[in-house]
Amino acid sequence: DTGVSQDPRHKITKRGQNVTFRCDPISEHNRLYWYRQTLGQGPEFLTYFQNEAQLEKSRLLSDRFSAERPKGSFSTLEIQRTEQGDSAMYLCASSFEPGEAFFGQGTRLTVV
Amino acid sequence: AQSVAQPEDQVNVAEGNPLTVKCTYSVSGNPYLFWYVQYPNRGLQFLLKYITGDNLVKGSYGFEAEFNKSQTSFHLKKPSALVSDSALYFCAVRAYSGGYQKVTFGIGTKLQVIP
Repeated sequence: DTGVSQDPRHKITKRGQNVTFRCDPISEHNRLYWYRQTLGQGPEFLTYFQNEAQLEKSRLLSDRFSAERPKGSFSTLEIQRTEQGDSAMYLCASSFEPGEAFFGQGTRLTVV
Repeated sequence: AQSVAQPEDQVNVAEGNPLTVKCTYSVSGNPYLFWYVQYPNRGLQFLLKYITGDNLVKGSYGFEAEFNKSQTSFHLKKPSALVSDSALYFCAVRAYSGGYQKVTFGIGTKLQVIP
């Protein structure tokens, strides 16, 4: 499968714990995006990388959230001191051309 | 700030009838517009895009969309709906925001095709 892959698919964590998600984009894509989607809503933009540079970060991304793309390939999204409000589907997407993004199946986070 | 509106939470259509899923947008400058579909327990899939040129664009699975600049709309259409088209559809717009390209999604419209 040469699509965007995300790991894990599901994560249940206790409030206050740290979690880290991984995204492996399509190999030739230089752009990588993280979105968050809650039930009944469209994807909300979190952050965007072009190669290894993090070019934009949404105000939704509090200080507890950090994303990296160290070698311009895979990316990680870490949430520290998780809160129940962080429960959502976290989507990763990649593209070669801006906007025509290919999405992974997402990581569903449940904070209990 | 750019925004996308999908005014209908749900659209019901009989199988074989034409369908329309509405989308309007607000951006500064020229928009790039997209439609994505999301099936249950699956990731978002790209359907079609408008960048420039003909106002009617054709995409995957027989879908098409019409760009109307004066009405700032980009409605998704299909001449004959299939039960398998039942899914969640998202409209998205890409434009410059704060010096960078930014993609904004609508909240989605659930399409229900009735056999």
